[in-house]
Amino acid sequence: DAGVIQSPRHEVTEMGQEVTLRCKPISGHDYLFWYRQTMMRGLELLIYFNNNVPIDDSGMPEDRFSAKMPNASFSTLKIQPSEPRDSAVYFCASSRGRDQETQYFGPGTRLLVL
Amino acid sequence: GESVGLHLPTLSVQEGDNSIINCAYSNSASDYFIWYKQESGKGPQFIIDIRSNMDKRQGQRVTVLLNKTVKHLSLQIAATQPGDSAVYFCAENIGGTGGTSYGKLTFGQGTILTVHP
Repeated sequence: DAGVIQSPRHEVTEMGQEVTLRCKPISGHDYLFWYRQTMMRGLELLIYFNNNVPIDDSGMPEDRFSAKMPNASFSTLKIQPSEPRDSAVYFCASSRGRDQETQYFGPGTRLLVL
Repeated sequence: GESVGLHLPTLSVQEGDNSIINCAYSNSASDYFIWYKQESGKGPQFIIDIRSNMDKRQGQRVTVLLNKTVKHLSLQIAATQPGDSAVYFCAENIGGTGGTSYGKLTFGQGTILTVHP
């Protein structure tokens, strides 16, 4: 299995630009999670989906952030407009199903907003 | 101004020693726990998990101990190798009958393990 795939691996953009991060979960996994990792706050859950439906988006920082999962094999996290404080590593993870299931992480997208 | 970040606990060991990494979790209702390893520039990698009906679980060179009385979790790594150098995170999950907590993991801040050859 290829594991969770994320793209791009690195993104440098200017403040005010739109940023779209992409994730392909492990085939057969029906939970998908978006996390953000910073030195200041550690690893934070932003939003998660079950069967392509957003279940909990309470971790999304503000309306500039949005996430979609149009099908079982693809999700996007969009930031519009981006700000320097959005600079972080964004991880996507997926799991097979119900609770007590291991989440498998992708390699992350390192975002730098200038 | 000066930025303030997380001050992660650190553990330095010699190659071949046993390592013990500790974690205090927050919610007595948590019923599933995972240890992750994160190497520089990579995503967290699953190491071992344990459910709340157990107090010990062993894997290859790793053992996780769970003490629910004091809400404490530990990861023991036997014969630590330089390749074990990484940040180690514990994570807890509150299971239950559903709702928005379903499947959510809460991560600790992490411990930096450095293994010297």
